[in-house]
Amino acid sequence: GESVGLHLPTLSVQEGDNSIINCAYSNSASDYFIWYKQESGKGPQFIIDIRSNMDKRQGQRVTVLLNKTVKHLSLQIAATQPGDSAVYFCAERGSGNQFYFGTGTSLTVIP
Amino acid sequence: NAGVTQTPKFQVLKTGQSMTLQCAQDMNHEYMSWYRQDPGMGLRLIHYSVGAGITDQGEVPNGYNVSRSTTEDFPLRLLSAAPSQTSVYFCASSYRLSQYEQYFGPGTRLTVT
Repeated sequence: GESVGLHLPTLSVQEGDNSIINCAYSNSASDYFIWYKQESGKGPQFIIDIRSNMDKRQGQRVTVLLNKTVKHLSLQIAATQPGDSAVYFCAERGSGNQFYFGTGTSLTVIP
Repeated sequence: NAGVTQTPKFQVLKTGQSMTLQCAQDMNHEYMSWYRQDPGMGLRLIHYSVGAGITDQGEVPNGYNVSRSTTEDFPLRLLSAAPSQTSVYFCASSYRLSQYEQYFGPGTRLTVT
């Protein structure tokens, strides 16, 4: 099956700095990717998505970059706030419309 | 809208017991799915449904059954609980299969002793 991995299990940033969370995927046929945020004790929450025909997509304070050549995507959070502290997952859509999730990166924002 | 609701929030079972995890959504979503989340691992798909009366297996279906008799409800049954099924279980739904933003429930933390 697909393998989706994140480069770092933990990330600490100062409040106000930008955060970058990385994700590698293995299936070059994957055509859709999602970033989720999961706060402690809660279910994952959709942040932003991107299709494989795009390189970049921006939302409110978040940007996702997709590099299909090296099968890598990243989530950038601008002006990181304490409320951004959470675990972030990337997910890719594989065969049969199933999603495969990475193991997650824990982001800690230092006030 | 209540969104996606799951009950119970916590459950402890003994090996061999059976139980049903409940999931309901009030958004008229066609697509519903069950995931399990284990420490150090991403969410893994157990079963999913694209509409009432239609279910299919995901990545890790063994030991679990599902049914979808209504659009709103998608229960997950553990037939004979095993310690390997200790996990946090999440139900999710989306409007259509082609609309991928999934809304997740708050999860059920299951411990099998």
